[in-house]
Amino acid sequence: EVQLVESGGGLLQPGGSLRLSCAASGFTFNYYSMNWVRQAPGKGLEWLSYISSDSSSILYADSVKGRFTISRDNAKNSLYLQINSLRDEDTAVYYCARQGLWFGEPKYYFDYWGQGTLVTVSS
Amino acid sequence: QSALTQPASVSGSPGQSITISCTGTSSDVGIYKFVSWYQQHPGKAPKLMIYEITKRPSGVSSRFSGSKSGNTASLTISGLQAEDEAEYYCCSYAGSSTPYVFGSGTKVTVL
Repeated sequence: EVQLVESGGGLLQPGGSLRLSCAASGFTFNYYSMNWVRQAPGKGLEWLSYISSDSSSILYADSVKGRFTISRDNAKNSLYLQINSLRDEDTAVYYCARQGLWFGEPKYYFDYWGQGTLVTVSS
Repeated sequence: QSALTQPASVSGSPGQSITISCTGTSSDVGIYKFVSWYQQHPGKAPKLMIYEITKRPSGVSSRFSGSKSGNTASLTISGLQAEDEAEYYCCSYAGSSTPYVFGSGTKVTVL
C-alpha cells in the first residue's frame, strides 16, 4: 500500500525556518517524481515545488522561489521541504504528493497524497 | 500564473447529474491534455478522480467523467450520492517552468 507521511509542522514565529519531511513507503520511491502542495486554512490548493526522481530537475512556484528548497534522499525514501524566512501567509497544511508514472514516463497528475502537516506562523 | 476558475458551489439532489467547470487559458487548459480533478473531503487529503482530461484511476466510480472544450475542462458526476459531497479541484499542467496550476475549488452539496 502506498503511504506518504508528512512531519515537521508546528507553530513557528515569523522569520523562522523549518524542514518538512515526507516518508514514503509501499512503492519504489526512486522511480517517482515528487511534489509539495499547500492549502491555507479555508483556501484552495497551491502547488509549491517539484523534484524529479533523481533530483536532476527542480521547480518552484514563483511565490516561494528563493525561500523554499526541495530535496530528497532516495536511500531513506524521504522527501523534504526547507522553508526559510517564514511569513504569516505560509500558514497552511503542507502535502507531499506523488507524481504519476506510466511505463517509466512521468505523468502530469498527483496520484497519491499524504495526510498533510500543519504549519502555523504567528508571533 | 493565476488559478483556474471554478464555480464556488454546485448542488444537486441524489440521483441527479452535476457538472463542474474549470476555465483556464490558452497557456494551460487550452493547450495541454493534462487536466486532472481531485476530490477533498473536510480534513482529508485530496484524492485523484480524473487524469488526462477523461481517464479514471482504478477504483474511482464510473459516475465520474471528464471532458474539455477549448480553455474549459469539466467534471461530471452522474447519479449523485451523499458521499460525493466534497470540495473538488481541477489542475492543469502549465508548462515546464511553473508546471501546475490548480482551480479555485468547487463545493458540491447533495441536497
